[in-house]
Amino acid sequence: DAGVTQSPTHLIKTRGQQVTLRCSPKSGHDTVSWYQQALGQGPQFIFQYYEEEERQRGNFPDRFSGHQFPNYSSELNVNALLLGDSALYLCASSLGQGHSNQPQHFGDGTRLSIL
Amino acid sequence: QKEVEQNSGPLSVPEGAIASLNCTYSDRVSQSFFWYRQYSGKSPELIMSIYSNGDKEDGRFTAQLNKASQYVSLLIRDSQPSDSATYLCAVNEGYSTLTFGKGTMLLVSP
Repeated sequence: DAGVTQSPTHLIKTRGQQVTLRCSPKSGHDTVSWYQQALGQGPQFIFQYYEEEERQRGNFPDRFSGHQFPNYSSELNVNALLLGDSALYLCASSLGQGHSNQPQHFGDGTRLSIL
Repeated sequence: QKEVEQNSGPLSVPEGAIASLNCTYSDRVSQSFFWYRQYSGKSPELIMSIYSNGDKEDGRFTAQLNKASQYVSLLIRDSQPSDSATYLCAVNEGYSTLTFGKGTMLLVSP
């Protein structure tokens, strides 16, 4: 049973560039959430996708956008990268409609470094 | 602003002791609560979920929930050096979106 998979594992970018991170949910899950975890902090919710729509969004600027595909996989895009965007980006999957209390399962994350 | 508070630690316990980790949350309507373990450089791993007041036990782990006091705790019995990690408390804000505390670092010494 495949868990949540993310790619790439590490990425180095420079300020002003754009980046795309990818996530495949755990088998049987239809909802994907993205989190940003800065060093020494807990993960912070960015947004959640369900049925190919952004269902919930945290307190992140419009530079952060995403997409969900018909096979439930998802992408996180960040434009105009800032030094402060350096973090571990985590994808989590869960069951959607009618399962709002289900736990989320995390992938291994993408470590993004901005120079 | 919904908040989840944890002591950052480190909490140091000797091998074989009970480790007690605590968490408070601000949103009274929160319905479900989770504890994740995170090793350095790794992603969070779910270890416990709790939905109703009282205790829930799973092996060496016991989660305790008191909704009136807005308090969640995790007890780890017979602590092992392999339990050394950061423990994240998370509260479900609806649609399975989670608000996390900053985590408590646990150090178990042999």
